[in-house]
Amino acid sequence: QKEVEQDPGPLSVPEGAIVSLNCTYSNSAFQYFMWYRQYSRKGPELLMYTYSSGNKEDGRFTAQVDKSSKYISLFIRDSQPSDSATYLCIIQGAQKLVFGQGTRLTINP
Amino acid sequence: ETGVTQTPRHLVMGMTNKKSLKCEQHLGHNAMYWYKQSAKKPLELMFVYNFKEQTENNSVPSRFSPECPNSSHLFLHLHTLQPEDSALYLCASSQDSRGGNIQYFGAGTRLSVL
Repeated sequence: QKEVEQDPGPLSVPEGAIVSLNCTYSNSAFQYFMWYRQYSRKGPELLMYTYSSGNKEDGRFTAQVDKSSKYISLFIRDSQPSDSATYLCIIQGAQKLVFGQGTRLTINP
Repeated sequence: ETGVTQTPRHLVMGMTNKKSLKCEQHLGHNAMYWYKQSAKKPLELMFVYNFKEQTENNSVPSRFSPECPNSSHLFLHLHTLQPEDSALYLCASSQDSRGGNIQYFGAGTRLSVL
């Protein structure tokens, strides 16, 4: 079993749609959950960072963590063409770091 | 800008060449990382340095040789690479290498091995 699984997509939605991106993980010791966004020809940049179960909101973005199900999500409301990028989940424990494969997202005007 | 600068941005090299990738961070961090990013694969952590000491080497072939002269600079020396080594090489830094620290990435070096 992979330590983290993320649907690689590609995912294509119309502008204004709600987007849901997900990762599942296998190790209950993981404590820190991050979503990074990576535009073409750029490095990943941090979008959201959480360390507890529940929701965290920042503008149009909401990160959700369900530790009991070992499942994290990133929701994008009112999606814009500028949100077109690859989204990576990065999950950490005290000593270990694991990465999702990345979901390639395209928002069509 | 993330505060992490990588040079060169693009590199084409033959299998017999020797080249080096450079990473510099201006964030006052103590940990630096090299990653390999290939198409349709998760990020692969290659090396970790914490306070200039190498703390992790994820079974990376010896044709990749890292160097960390101080906490702000990280190099990746390349020699006799293979075509399958073509990828985006990312450098990152964080406050230290403990879990929970946010990593800041550079823009990467796109490496092509002919």
